[in-house]
Amino acid sequence: QPVLTQSPSASASLGASVTLTCTLSSGHSTYAIAWHQQQPEKGPRYLMNLKSDGSHNKGDGIPDRFSGSSSGAERYLTISSLKSEDEADYYCQTWGTGLRVFGGGTKLTVL
Amino acid sequence: EMQLLESGGGLVQPGGSLRLSCAASGFTFSSYGMNWVRQAPGKGLEWVSSFTAGGGSTYYADSVKGRFTISRDNSRNTLYLQMNSLRADDTAIYYCAKSPPAAAIDYWGQGTLVTVSS
Repeated sequence: QPVLTQSPSASASLGASVTLTCTLSSGHSTYAIAWHQQQPEKGPRYLMNLKSDGSHNKGDGIPDRFSGSSSGAERYLTISSLKSEDEADYYCQTWGTGLRVFGGGTKLTVL
Repeated sequence: EMQLLESGGGLVQPGGSLRLSCAASGFTFSSYGMNWVRQAPGKGLEWVSSFTAGGGSTYYADSVKGRFTISRDNSRNTLYLQMNSLRADDTAIYYCAKSPPAAAIDYWGQGTLVTVSS
């Protein structure tokens, strides 16, 4: 089954942009993923579904500041015009036959 | 409005049992796969179990296989997780989540806390 790798932490300044990366394991580079956000002391929130060709479908109410892209085995989440409420943990997730797989998460700090 | 409402969490002794429920509303429950995902204190998200739509297949993480049982009642729009032989490392917030067939999780509940301790 696929394995997803994320950097443990990232930081960027208020108003700036940041790109988070999720890497699919060897042999799984064509898999689609989803990005989920978890703000402090809250449950996860679905952000978007992201395919290998970079096409993505965002969840209801997700601002245009959030976008996704892909390159090979890498899946990216870009957040522009950072706000304080974007400080959160971000998880990528994929799936196999009946299985769900999560990356370890990236903690984003907004400076 | 779509909603997933978990219940049934609480404090249980090691070796004990607990049954979680997830009441769904605002979408056609029977058409979606349903999942349980947990998060131990200070840790990341861990997939626990899934129940597909239609065919009714079930899947489990190795960490819970043989101890946990997922089920669903489409007439009541409710998902369940029967947890037996609970261990301290099962302590976590348990989230219910829905997913379209062969697709990612696209909606989460607010979670219910399970604490396994003597």
